[in-house]
Amino acid sequence: DAMVIQNPRYQVTQFGKPVTLSCSQTLNHNVMYWYQQKSSQAPKLLFHYYDKDFNNEADTPDNFQSRRPNTSFCFLDIRSPGLGDAAMYLCASAQNFSGRGEQFFGPGTRLTVL
Amino acid sequence: AQKVTQAQTEISVVEKEDVTLDCVYETRDTTYYLFWYKQPPSGELVFLIRRNSFDEQNEISGRYSWNFQKSTSSFNFTITASQVVDSAVYFCALNDYKLSFGAGTTVTVRA
Repeated sequence: DAMVIQNPRYQVTQFGKPVTLSCSQTLNHNVMYWYQQKSSQAPKLLFHYYDKDFNNEADTPDNFQSRRPNTSFCFLDIRSPGLGDAAMYLCASAQNFSGRGEQFFGPGTRLTVL
Repeated sequence: AQKVTQAQTEISVVEKEDVTLDCVYETRDTTYYLFWYKQPPSGELVFLIRRNSFDEQNEISGRYSWNFQKSTSSFNFTITASQVVDSAVYFCALNDYKLSFGAGTTVTVRA
């Protein structure tokens, strides 16, 4: 089935140790998003790609980077994770930017920082 | 700026009771889209419904129904005859190029 896949589902890293989260989609969507969701909070958009065009939200920390090597894959790199970066990271895709476009979400990666 | 308010933080009901989740939104756009998502304990956000600003028809899908009232900027969601499997966090969201989520309402359905 076409879907958004995230690996791994659970990731444990140490304070300050770089970590990469992976997302892939088989929907051939133009847009991919990364959200951060902390406990008992709503998802918060970090950045998105429209094709290869990257857009950073104004309040996304510099510690967070992203790569989209092709249409299907998108990576979230956290260069020096802090304890405050422990969260669920959700990847989503959409056909286009139009507001009517439903975003399809992956199952998320739960990041623990020790 | 867009804003979505879900005033109810938590709702607890006994199985078979109806539960209504409130959602109030703010936007300057004349064309916009509203969504409801369900997030079960597993964490995945599950799409439930999309409604555009020009369509004020209420919608029913099985035990779920939605009441969109543009005059009051509300898009409320009702689960009829709730079941334990309905226990989850429910998010209302408003979309231009990104989803602006409300804070979510945690629904607990007790057997």
